[in-house]
Amino acid sequence: EADIYQTPRYLVIGTGKKITLECSQTMGHDKMYWYQQDPGMELHLIHYSYGVNSTEKGDLSSESTVSRIRTEHFPLTLESARPSHTSQYLCASSAGEGYGYTFGSGTRLTVV
Amino acid sequence: DQQVKQNSPSLSVQEGRISILNCDYTNSMFDYFLWYKKYPAEGPTFLISISSIKDKNEDGRFTVFLNKSAKHLSLHIVPSQPGDSAVYFCAAYSGAGSYQLTFGKGTKLSVIP
Repeated sequence: EADIYQTPRYLVIGTGKKITLECSQTMGHDKMYWYQQDPGMELHLIHYSYGVNSTEKGDLSSESTVSRIRTEHFPLTLESARPSHTSQYLCASSAGEGYGYTFGSGTRLTVV
Repeated sequence: DQQVKQNSPSLSVQEGRISILNCDYTNSMFDYFLWYKKYPAEGPTFLISISSIKDKNEDGRFTVFLNKSAKHLSLHIVPSQPGDSAVYFCAAYSGAGSYQLTFGKGTKLSVIP
C-alpha cells in the first residue's frame, strides 16, 4: 500500500547531538514538505522540495537542513540539537494542486 | 500575521448532534481550502476540501461551507460520533503561488457519548 513513513516515532536525545529524521514515500510524489508543530499551535512549514535536488526553506526559520537525492526520500538533519528543538516534526508529500497532502505519523523529538 | 485562524481552541458536542468547526482567513489569494483531522501522536489525515468556485462540498457526514465574501469556512459533522474526537485543522493555499498549505492552530473536538 502506498504510504509515507517517518522514523523514529519518538526520540529523546541529549543537547549537542546530531540527528537525522527519516521520511520516505512510496507514491512517487514530487512535492515533499517538513512541518513543525507544538501542542495547540499551527503547523509551521520549515522545508519543502518540489523534486530531486530541489530544497527550499519554509516560513519558519529552522536550524535544520534537508536533502532530496531521491524522489522517495526527504531526510531532515539537526547538526547540534538543543532543547528549543523539542517539537513534533511532520513530513508530508503531495501529487500537486488539488490533491492535498499525505502526512506521515510524525516524529516526537525531545532534546534534554 | 496569522493568515488562517481557528478561534475556538476546543469544542464539546453530544453524540448524535451536529459539530460546527469554524475557520477564518485573511489572504484573499487563497482559493483552495482543506480540513484535516489529527489524533494525538499521529500525522494529520485529509478529511474534505473545497475550491473557491464552490460554496459547499459534502462527503458523507462531513460538509464544508465556504463564504468567500466573509472569508469564512466551516466544517459540519452530523451526526457526531465519539470517534470524531480529534483536533481539526483548517488549511488553505493559493493556486497562483507555490503549492504550500497554510494551517490554522486547530480546534480540539470532543464528542461526548
